[in-house]
Order: sequence, then structure tokens, then C-alpha cells
Amino acid sequence: AQSVTQPDIHITVSEGASLELRCNYSYGATPYLFWYVQSPGQGLQLLLKYFSGDTLVQGIKGFEAEFKRSQSSFNLRKPSVHWSDAAEYFCAVGAGSNFGNEKLTFGTGTRLTIIP
Amino acid sequence: GAGVSQSPRYKVAKRGQDVALRCDPISGHVSLFWYQQALGQGPEFLTYFQNEAQLDKSGLPSDRFFAERPEGSVSTLKIQRTQQEDSAVYLCASSFNTGGTSFKGYTFGSGTRLTVV
Repeated sequence: AQSVTQPDIHITVSEGASLELRCNYSYGATPYLFWYVQSPGQGLQLLLKYFSGDTLVQGIKGFEAEFKRSQSSFNLRKPSVHWSDAAEYFCAVGAGSNFGNEKLTFGTGTRLTIIP
Repeated sequence: GAGVSQSPRYKVAKRGQDVALRCDPISGHVSLFWYQQALGQGPEFLTYFQNEAQLDKSGLPSDRFFAERPEGSVSTLKIQRTQQEDSAVYLCASSFNTGGTSFKGYTFGSGTRLTVV
């Protein structure tokens, strides 16, 4: 069965600084990988996804993520964070049977705090 | 509507009470998912519908949980004889595609926060 580990429960970053959120997955075949963001009291919004092809994927709000098969990682990055990026971030993996339109396994999330 | 609508936003139930949570997906969305998100955790899959067919209910934690989508649009998640461990946010998500590389991702609702006292 697939699993996702987000080793950082809480990260604090200064506004304007760069950001990297870590995600490691466990899955026997090529996974389908996602990053979602959740603001307080809101549902989850898809930031980006990886199905195949170029291992560096671009998403919304200036985020990008890189799939590294050798490290079983899919880390999320942003070169310069804004105060509005403060939220909970979830990495998720799908088994790939239906290109992601299937049940996902989520990590426990990383809470991002932005300081002025 | 423009998004996935869930009601009620908040529900407080006494232990042993039955509850019904409603999800209105985006019009025309074929796929519908329910997830349970406990405090401080990521969402966990409960069940999946494609139109009115419930294709996967492997995540339902017990036979007290039941979901339906009789006409392939609105879905209801019912929990019978609620227990304290059922306290969580219940998220609904829908998508237009049934799969394929054009899949854009789900649209999640804001969830129903259930508190069992």
C-alpha cells in the first residue's frame, strides 16, 4: 500500500525568503503525486500534480515541485514566499490506476507560518 | 454552483445520535469522493462514486457509515449511532473526468466539522 511522509510538522519562514517543503512517498510503481494547500476553514486546493514526463512541474501561485525517483521524494518549492502563503500543505499519492482520479493517500501535512 | 457545497458547515451530535452530511458537487461532475480529516491529520479516503455507482467503499471505518448518491449528483454521508471517534471534518470532492491524462484534479468542498459530545 502506498504511504506519504511529510517530516516537517511546522515550518516558519520570513516573508520573501525561499521555501522547501519535504515529501517522501512509498509506492512500488510509478506514483501519481500531488500537492494541495488548505487555508483555515477551507477545502483543499490543488497546487500541482505529477503524472509523468518532465520531473520538474510548475503549479499555481508560483509553486513548483521536483519528482526524484531515486530519493522517493516530491518536494515543493517557492523562491519567495508571501504572507498569503501561510496555510497547511499536504502531499498526496495516487496509485495511478486512473491518472489521479482515484482515492489519494495524504501525508499528515506541514503547517507554514510566515513572519514579517 | 461554482464550487462544491457541503452542509451543514458545523454539526454537534450527542453520542448515539444519527447524522447526515450533504455534498452538492459541481454540476456535471461525474466522480465524487468523501474523505475524513481528523484534527491535525491529513484527509483519509472513505468512499468513491462514479455517477450513482459506489465503486469503492473500502475506507468506510465501520458499518455505521453509509453513503449514497442516488441520482448521480447530490451525495449524503450518513453516520449512525455516532461515537466520539467520529469527530472530524468530512470533506467532499468532485471531478469532471473519470480519468485520463486530461484530469485536472478534484475540487474540494469546505467540509462539515462534526463534533460528537
